[in-house]
Amino acid sequence: RKEVEQDPGPFNVPEGATVAFNCTYSNSASQSFFWYRQDCRKEPKLLMSVYSSGNEDGRFTAQLNRASQYISLLIRDSKLSDSATYLCVVIRGGYSTLTFGKGTMLLVSP
Amino acid sequence: DAGVIQSPRHEVTEMGQEVTLRCKPISGHNSLFWYRQTMMRGLELLIYFNNNVPIDDSGMPEDRFSAKMPNASFSTLKIQPSEPRDSAVYFCASRAGTGGYEQYFGPGTRLTVT
Repeated sequence: RKEVEQDPGPFNVPEGATVAFNCTYSNSASQSFFWYRQDCRKEPKLLMSVYSSGNEDGRFTAQLNRASQYISLLIRDSKLSDSATYLCVVIRGGYSTLTFGKGTMLLVSP
Repeated sequence: DAGVIQSPRHEVTEMGQEVTLRCKPISGHNSLFWYRQTMMRGLELLIYFNNNVPIDDSGMPEDRFSAKMPNASFSTLKIQPSEPRDSAVYFCASRAGTGGYEQYFGPGTRLTVT
C-alpha cells in the first residue's frame, strides 16, 4: 500500500459548486498533514495545514480523521482559479521530511 | 524577497551526458530539499540537507545521482551519466528551521534526456 494515496481525478465541476477530496495515509505514526496546491507547470505551494480539530480558511475546509487515517479538503463556491492539482502531504513522527501524494486534479468550468 | 532560484529552467541533453542542476535557497533558510516529479511517480524526495549537511539521501535513485551543498546559499544535483528515464521536473525547496514545515519550492528544472 502506498504511503499517501489520492484519487487522481480529474474532478470536473461548474463554478459555484462544492467539491471534496480525500487522501488516505498508511502510516499511523503520521503526525502532521497539509494540502499543497500545484498549478499546471508550476511549483507546489502550501494551501493549508490540517489540524486534528479541523480548520477553515475562507472557502476551504480541511479535516483529519485519525481513526480512518484520512484527511479531506472541501472547497465551497468553486472559482475558475481553483483549477489546479491538490497534493496531500504527510509528515511522519520524528521526521521532518514530507511525503506527497500524487495529487487530485480539479477543473472548474464556467 | 527572492524565492528559491533554480537554473537552468529547461535542459535538453543526450543520453550519457552529465547534467548539473543548481539551486539557491531563500536566504536564512537552513534546510534544502531536492525533489523529482514525474506523471508516473509523482513528487519524490531525493535528498534533504540541514545546515549544509546531507541528512537523508535514501531517495537518490542510484550512484549516477549526487548532490552537494558547499555553503548555505548554493546546492547542486548532478546526474552522470544521464539516461532517458531521468527525464522529469526537478524541484528544489527550502525551509526555515526544523520545526516549521512549510517548504518553499523553486520553479523547477524541466530535464529531457534523449
